Amino acid sequence: DIQMTQSPSSLSASVGDRVTITCQASQDISNYLNWYQQKPGKAPKLLIYDASNLETGVPSRFTGSGYGTDFTFTITSLQPEDIATYYCQQYDNLPPYTFGQGTKLEIK
Amino acid sequence: EVQLVESGGGLVKPGGSLRLSCAASGFTFSSYALNWVRQAPGKGLEWVSSISSSSSHIHYAESVKGRFTISRDNAKNSLYLQMNSLRAEDTAVYFCARDGGDYNILTGYAPGDFDYWGQGTLVTVSS
Repeated sequence: DIQMTQSPSSLSASVGDRVTITCQASQDISNYLNWYQQKPGKAPKLLIYDASNLETGVPSRFTGSGYGTDFTFTITSLQPEDIATYYCQQYDNLPPYTFGQGTKLEIK
Repeated sequence: EVQLVESGGGLVKPGGSLRLSCAASGFTFSSYALNWVRQAPGKGLEWVSSISSSSSHIHYAESVKGRFTISRDNAKNSLYLQMNSLRAEDTAVYFCARDGGDYNILTGYAPGDFDYWGQGTLVTVSS
């Protein structure tokens, strides 16, 4: 199975900061990489699909990039409502799908 | 509005069985692949199982293979997960999640992006 290594596991930043999370796949997954946001007690929400495409209705401060094995998720200007845990997920054509370990984002 | 509503969770003893349901509305149910994803208390997300629109493609995580069975009833707009031989490590919130489309009929490849999720149902396996 493809393993996803996400870092950091937690992150503290100030409102307005630029925040970056990385995800590394154990093998080439092309651009088959999604990013989700999960707030406490809620279901995950799809933010970015195919590594860099913004899901409809998601603010443009959320961006994604990368190809192959190395991927980056960025919040260009952190807002208070962005406090959540973020997960990457690979979907290399067929299951099993795997998620990264998650990054818990807090406000400093 | 797309809605997915899970039910059927609860407390069950190790070795027991449980059947989860996911009722869907707001979209053409028979056109989408569906998935079960779980989250143990305080832990990350784990994909459990996937089923194509016609049930012709079904996949399971190794951790549940041989114990769990995914199925769907397109006439009832419902997704199911039959869970047998339950273990303590199966304790989790179980989410149903819609795929961004259906499996490709030529390649058998799945879309893999979970664009809508239910609120989840808690399964607790404990004696």
